[in-house]
Amino acid sequence: AQSVAQPEDQVNVAEGNPLTVKCTYSVSGNPYLFWYVQYPNRGLQFLLKYITGDNLVKGSYGFEAEFNKSQTSFHLKKPSALVSDSALYFCAVSARGNTPLVFGKGTRLSVIA
Amino acid sequence: EPEVTQTPSHQVTQMGQEVILRCVPISNHLYFYWYRQILGQKVEFLVSFYNNEISEKSEIFDDQFSVERPDGSNFTLKIRSTKLEDSAMYFCASSPIQGAQKEQYFGPGTRLTVT
Repeated sequence: AQSVAQPEDQVNVAEGNPLTVKCTYSVSGNPYLFWYVQYPNRGLQFLLKYITGDNLVKGSYGFEAEFNKSQTSFHLKKPSALVSDSALYFCAVSARGNTPLVFGKGTRLSVIA
Repeated sequence: EPEVTQTPSHQVTQMGQEVILRCVPISNHLYFYWYRQILGQKVEFLVSFYNNEISEKSEIFDDQFSVERPDGSNFTLKIRSTKLEDSAMYFCASSPIQGAQKEQYFGPGTRLTVT
């Protein structure tokens, strides 16, 4: 069965500093990996995905994520954080196409001005 | 940009009552999903729907739950007899044609409160 771990409940970073939100996964076979962001009172917005190919994936709003197969990780990164990036971030995995996503518990990112 | 929409945004119901949560997926999408998020917990998969039938369901999706695509646009989740523990945010999602893994597009959610 698939699983996702987001080891940090909360990440605090100063505006302008780089940010990292951690995610590790467990899945049989090749993983399909996703990051979603949830702003208050909003649904989940897709940020980026890794299916195959280049291990560094670029997504929306300047975010990127690095797939590391040996460490089974898919950490979300951004070179320079904005206050508007403050939100709840979810990592998700699925084992094959168009199958249910398994989500991590989420990491709350707080960017301080 | 097309969006998944959900109604109502908030539903309050009494225990034992039936509720129907409604979703309008993105028009050319063929896969539909319901997830829920109990307050403070992770998002959990309930059911997926393709070609007018359930393709997968989780342990949560018991006989109290049902889904339907009554017309060409709506996708509904019915809870037949609500329990207190059904209180959660319910998200509808859709994704396009089969093939390469496509991301799922989520609606804004319906907050269900069972009293």
